[in-house]
Amino acid sequence: EAGVAQSPRYKIIEKRQSVAFWCNPISGHATLYWYQQILGQGPKLLIQFQNNGVVDDSQLPKDRFSAERLKGVDSTLKIQPAKLEDSAVYLCASSFPPRGAGRDTQYFGPGTRLTVL
Amino acid sequence: SQQGEEDPQALSIQEGENATMNCSYKTSINNLQWYRQNSGRGLVHLILIRSNEREKHSGRLRVTLDTSKKSSSLLITASRAADTASYFCATDEGGGGYQKVTFGTGTKLQVIP
Repeated sequence: EAGVAQSPRYKIIEKRQSVAFWCNPISGHATLYWYQQILGQGPKLLIQFQNNGVVDDSQLPKDRFSAERLKGVDSTLKIQPAKLEDSAVYLCASSFPPRGAGRDTQYFGPGTRLTVL
Repeated sequence: SQQGEEDPQALSIQEGENATMNCSYKTSINNLQWYRQNSGRGLVHLILIRSNEREKHSGRLRVTLDTSKKSSSLLITASRAADTASYFCATDEGGGGYQKVTFGTGTKLQVIP
């Protein structure tokens, strides 16, 4: 079974530039998550989709971050314009809904390491 | 915000010893999960314990959950160098049909060969 795919793996940009990350979840997983992990901290949920609808985006800085999930499969996360404090690893994860035996596990991609100079 | 606070922040042990890490959280939960993250990689799910369970085992892993104290512990027995990683607890406090997962701050484990 193929895992969660993310690209690019690394990205370096100047502050005020824009950047986009792509995620392809595991086939059949209707729930998709984007997390931000700053060095030395645990992942922080940015946005959660169920199919192509947003379930939770309460911690997404909506003035600069946006995300979409086209056709309930792939997803993109965009930052525009980027700030120095956006330097982090951006992780995508997917899982089956609804909750139930064996369905609560999130499967993570390798992440995209973003450096903002 | 981080729901779970883990301690210790860092732990260094000899190969073969046991490693124990703890997680405390603040609100009622549906379940608590532990994840491992190797340097520079994504997270890997280790074990899930539901709010009505008190203890769970998986191979060399033993997890306990005390909902009255809002705490959990992860024990790795007979540690190996390959266990060197960061370990995170994650609490699910979602209602309805979807999870609301919040990760802790993590414990960095080093197992010395």
